[in-house]
Amino acid sequence: RKEVEQDPGPFNVPEGATVAFNCTYSNSASQSFFWYRQDCRKEPKLLMSVYSSGNEDGRFTAQLNRASQYISLLIRDSKLSDSATYLCVVESGAGSYQLTFGKGTKLSVIP
Amino acid sequence: DVKVTQSSRYLVKRTGEKVFLECVQDMDHENMFWYRQDPGLGLRLIYFSYDVKMKEKGDIPEGYSVSREKKERFSLILESASTNQTSMYLCASSGGTVYTFGSGTRLTVV
Repeated sequence: RKEVEQDPGPFNVPEGATVAFNCTYSNSASQSFFWYRQDCRKEPKLLMSVYSSGNEDGRFTAQLNRASQYISLLIRDSKLSDSATYLCVVESGAGSYQLTFGKGTKLSVIP
Repeated sequence: DVKVTQSSRYLVKRTGEKVFLECVQDMDHENMFWYRQDPGLGLRLIYFSYDVKMKEKGDIPEGYSVSREKKERFSLILESASTNQTSMYLCASSGGTVYTFGSGTRLTVV
């Protein structure tokens, strides 16, 4: 069974804090990895893709460890607007175009 | 701006009714997907399609069927709605592995 496991949280952090989310996946054949963001009562939206070399987009840094089948997302200098659920997403099989979604980690940034 | 449009934002249906959920995308994507999302269970794949008139079962297809007569439209059908099908239904399309989701249909079966 292809699974993506995340800590559901919630993570309650003060503004300006650094917070890290982790995720593990079971399908070693997966080639594509993503973080999606989902606001309350809204649809998921792509936050960023995750590459083996690690990638950064402003305050957000994503890392992939293929050997450990582990993905992380680091958010620096948290803003109130970062409050959302973060979904770890893994391609279900190489070239399948199917994605397996984690259940999400809820983040609340507190003033 | 690219879009995936779901026909209804909220829907209330009675047990036993046949329910149609419509999804239209304007990105000329080959791939379309239907998910349901429930608290504590995350997104679960119901059906997907890689081409017109093509459909494949996802992880939870029981009680559902789909139709893809045109590339831009992917319909989810609940043949006989039951209360355990009360959920948020999300349609997505993709040209590869990056999905664009519709805004969802919150279906309540009473």
